[in-house]
Amino acid sequence: GENVEQHPSTLSVQEGDSAVIKCTYSDSASNYFPWYKQELGKRPQLIIDIRSNVGEKKDQRIAVTLNKTAKHFSLHITETQPEDSAVYFCAASTTDKLIFGTGTRLQVFP
Amino acid sequence: GAGVSQSPSNKVTEKGKDVELRCDPISGHTALYWYRQRLGQGLEFLIYFQGNSAPDKSGLPSDRFSAERTGESVSTLTIQRTQQEDSAVYLCASSFFYRNTEAFFGQGTRLTVV
Repeated sequence: GENVEQHPSTLSVQEGDSAVIKCTYSDSASNYFPWYKQELGKRPQLIIDIRSNVGEKKDQRIAVTLNKTAKHFSLHITETQPEDSAVYFCAASTTDKLIFGTGTRLQVFP
Repeated sequence: GAGVSQSPSNKVTEKGKDVELRCDPISGHTALYWYRQRLGQGLEFLIYFQGNSAPDKSGLPSDRFSAERTGESVSTLTIQRTQQEDSAVYLCASSFFYRNTEAFFGQGTRLTVV
């Protein structure tokens, strides 16, 4: 079955700097890669997703890149703000269940 | 309702008792997932339902855990003979299967076994 690894587990950046979170997956059939943000005490919410027919997708300050050959994908947050502080989860899916990475706790210091 | 609804929000139970957690998915969503999230940890896959297909139970940690779903509606997760290590937030999510799109999460049930 699918296995998703995520790095780093914690990430601290200064406000205004960029943050990058990386994930690898094992099942080459996976074709959908969402990223979720979970603020303290709240439910995970989708922030961006990418499908296997696309190499990069951007939405304002966040972007995701996908390398299907290497089976890895990354989340990039530019111009970080304190409200970006949260736990971020990547996930991979075929037309089957959604498997999540272990999460990255991002702290943005003002 | 407009979103995924879970009940109860909080449950405190004594070790050894059985508990039942409920999830109401978004209407029309054929896929339903249960995850367990221990304090400060990630989203541990438990079970996946897709329409009337046999559920994927590969994530259930022991035979004390079971789940049911009737058609494309409500799902219940049952934990028998609860143990302290079962204490966690249990999250349910639903999505449109065939469109491979966003999974929407419920607010979770915080289970505390004392």
